[in-house]
Amino acid sequence: NAGVTQTPKFRILKIGQSMTLQCTQDMNHNYMYWYRQDPGMGLKLIYYSVGAGITDKGEVPNGYNVSRSTTEDFPLRLELAAPSQTSVYFCASTHFWGQANYGYTFGSGTRLTVV
Amino acid sequence: GENVGLHLPTLSVQEGDNSIINCAYSNSASDYFIWYKQESGKGPQFIIDIRSNMDKRQGQRVTVLLNKTVKHLSLQIAATQPGDSAVYFCAPQDNYGQNFVFGPGTRLSVLP
Repeated sequence: NAGVTQTPKFRILKIGQSMTLQCTQDMNHNYMYWYRQDPGMGLKLIYYSVGAGITDKGEVPNGYNVSRSTTEDFPLRLELAAPSQTSVYFCASTHFWGQANYGYTFGSGTRLTVV
Repeated sequence: GENVGLHLPTLSVQEGDNSIINCAYSNSASDYFIWYKQESGKGPQFIIDIRSNMDKRQGQRVTVLLNKTVKHLSLQIAATQPGDSAVYFCAPQDNYGQNFVFGPGTRLSVLP
């Protein structure tokens, strides 16, 4: 059981380049999330999805896009990379039904540097 | 919005001692709270949770205390071990019950 898998683990981008951060989970979780974590800071929610075909903005969505075509995959797209997007990105998933959210399972993160 | 703060950004304890990590939150409507542990270079991991109808919950070597009156949580780690060195986040659930709000965390260092 792999849990939440993120690729790549590290990436260096030049300003203005684009890339997609991949996230896959094999737990049949309905909710998936993208967070960014700046040095010495907590996690800030970028986008989340409550199921295939449904996505919503989080706290810091500008400069990012997401899609959720399947239950398993939730890729995060950076279209025009900027130095302010240098961060560690975490994908997470959870199973949510009724009023219950049983906490997140996180991936191991993607460390992105924009130069 | 939710404001999650921590009383101490760093905490150093001797191996074998007990650790107490504190967390203040501002949203009185939060009714579910999780503590996460994040080791260097890894994603956060679930440690223990507590719902608002409880004031204490115990796990293996960890205890979470919730005081809703003053909007405060604490995580107690008994007999702290080197493997407990990490950043600890408390995460209250938001108003909509779907997402969690993370503060900056407390870094716990265990001294030999």
